[in-house]
Amino acid sequence: DSGVTQTPKHLITATGQRVTLRCSPRSGDLSVYWYQQSLDQGLQFLIQYYNGEERAKGNILERFSAQQFPDLHSELNLSSLELGDSALYFCASRTNYGYTFGSGTRLTVV
Amino acid sequence: SQQGEEDPQALSIQEGENATMNCSYKTSINNLQWYRQNSGRGLVHLILIRSNEREKHSGRLRVTLDTSKKSSSLLITASRAADTASYFCATEYSSASKIIFGSGTRLSIRP
Repeated sequence: DSGVTQTPKHLITATGQRVTLRCSPRSGDLSVYWYQQSLDQGLQFLIQYYNGEERAKGNILERFSAQQFPDLHSELNLSSLELGDSALYFCASRTNYGYTFGSGTRLTVV
Repeated sequence: SQQGEEDPQALSIQEGENATMNCSYKTSINNLQWYRQNSGRGLVHLILIRSNEREKHSGRLRVTLDTSKKSSSLLITASRAADTASYFCATEYSSASKIIFGSGTRLSIRP
């Protein structure tokens, strides 16, 4: 158990729908990083939050948005889903020794 | 876009042999990290080497970093079946910035 919790583990939804992925960082960690892993694009950085504020943005589509709440958990919202959004979505916290990743949410869009 | 490229893309070796994976990156970094991912699961941090370090060891793992060539290698000695996984290098430009992953090496250990 990495201490970074992601829910749900699996999600199957139809094209055009909207889903919310949730991440709780390790206790005391202020940072949250979101990554998408797909077969064709590999591991892509989406967005970073630190103590509730957006710090960096990567290859995140306009249909995607995220936020970090006062209790430091974060949500990644994916809307108008397309087949190509099917992927593993990870969140991570940063430590002095590297990043700790959650076990991911596997999103399947049908 | 990915910062790093890994070589080889796939590697199959006999149990007990050593496995070497290489990573090249494009710009100056603060540190380079290696991660392991078992099939479809989360990423596990293996080792971090800072830009002012040249070599680091952790158990059966040995990582080298050559900043002049912008490259790193991961050596796993005396491989075991449990080492079968994908291995990714990841570079961090500056402290607490995002890390950018390489394309990964799929390692298979034959019994």
